[in-house]
Amino acid sequence: ETGVTQTPRHLVMGMTNKKSLKCEQHLGHNAMYWYKQSAKKPLELMFVYNFKEQTENNSVPSRFSPECPNSSHLFLHLHTLQPEDSALYLCASSQDPRRGYRSPLHFGNGTRLTVT
Amino acid sequence: DQQVKQNSPSLSVQEGRISILNCDYTNSMFDYFLWYKKYPAEGPTFLISISSIKDKNEDGRFTVFLNKSAKHLSLHIVPSQPGDSAVYFCAAFGGANNLFFGTGTRLTVIP
Repeated sequence: ETGVTQTPRHLVMGMTNKKSLKCEQHLGHNAMYWYKQSAKKPLELMFVYNFKEQTENNSVPSRFSPECPNSSHLFLHLHTLQPEDSALYLCASSQDPRRGYRSPLHFGNGTRLTVT
Repeated sequence: DQQVKQNSPSLSVQEGRISILNCDYTNSMFDYFLWYKKYPAEGPTFLISISSIKDKNEDGRFTVFLNKSAKHLSLHIVPSQPGDSAVYFCAAFGGANNLFFGTGTRLTVIP
């Protein structure tokens, strides 16, 4: 099993739908992240969880709702999205950086989301 | 405003030659820098990192150089191989959890 697994790989949804993205990490990490990558823009941090506690919400609209039931699983619940939310959504994990130890983020392969 | 910038969207290099990818940053509080490599339809893969207390870190064919006074870092790949063709992202840690990324440079290594 690869380190960080995201499902589904592709998702097409209408603006009135509700869907969820799932992420699972098998690396024993205790921090998990959601990033958004839009065309021609840098990766943007959305949310961070450390030991299941949300420690960062980067001014993300409430139509994106994260959930972290444990250190290995992370969800992103989507509802009433807009076409401009179409992007690649990447999950990542790392050791808890708040301990002062810098460690690289390990990314999943992403979910390509299209909102119609 | 972008805090990490990669001003070259693309770079082509002959196989066996050196590839040099550049990155500039604006925040002097950044203390840890990373390079990621991304193939199509895959997530970014960590390549190499450097702490702000160092000016060079080497790992096989990959070397990262950091010039803090110029707020500049570069990734050198020697010798370049066709399998190195990918998009390379520069990133910097600011604060506890926030990793700031550049927009990437697409490297093409010509056989």
